[in-house]
Amino acid sequence: DAGVTQSPTHLIKTRGQHVTLRCSPISGHKSVSWYQQVLGQGPQFIFQYYEKEERGRGNFPDRFSARQFPNYSSELNVNALLLGDSALYLCASSLAVGQRGPGYNEQFFGPGTRLTVL
Amino acid sequence: QKEVEQNSGPLSVPEGAIASLNCTYSDRVSQSFFWYRQYSGKSPELIMSIYSNGDKEDGRFTAQLNKASQYVSLLIRDSQPSDSATYLCAVNKGGSYIPTFGRGTSLIVHP
Repeated sequence: DAGVTQSPTHLIKTRGQHVTLRCSPISGHKSVSWYQQVLGQGPQFIFQYYEKEERGRGNFPDRFSARQFPNYSSELNVNALLLGDSALYLCASSLAVGQRGPGYNEQFFGPGTRLTVL
Repeated sequence: QKEVEQNSGPLSVPEGAIASLNCTYSDRVSQSFFWYRQYSGKSPELIMSIYSNGDKEDGRFTAQLNKASQYVSLLIRDSQPSDSATYLCAVNKGGSYIPTFGRGTSLIVHP
């Protein structure tokens, strides 16, 4: 089975531009989460979606938005890009949200999108 | 106090030794704990999950959880140079299904 896929793999933008990142979860997974990772830090949570509903939002400005589609794929949008938005953007999928027990909440990451803002 | 703390390292061990990676967390009611491995320039890869106190073994990896002391550790037996990577600890705080990550510990296994 295919793992989590993300596109594009690399992206170069200039300040003020807008970017859309895409993610397809593992088949059968209904939850997608987005993270930002800068060098030397762990992933920082941005959004979590489950069954097309937002289930969590991290401490990121309103320039960041996301949505989940009926096929469970997801988009992350960032408006008015700043130099500080340069990072690795990670998408992770999990079976479900809100169900305890092994397996349900384990998150599996895609390869990431490397965003460079000039 | 950070929510999830890890020593950034690097931790250097010789090939064949046991590597011990530690993680502490602040939320006493945390429920789920995960270890990820991240090679340079790549995305994190889930190694282990642990939910109950005690040890959980999977091949050369053993995760240990002590909720009373609020720490979780990862032991890597018979360390190989290919184990050289950053190891991320992630914790789901009580009532949350969103993992909080530590900054990771860099492990170097030298021949």
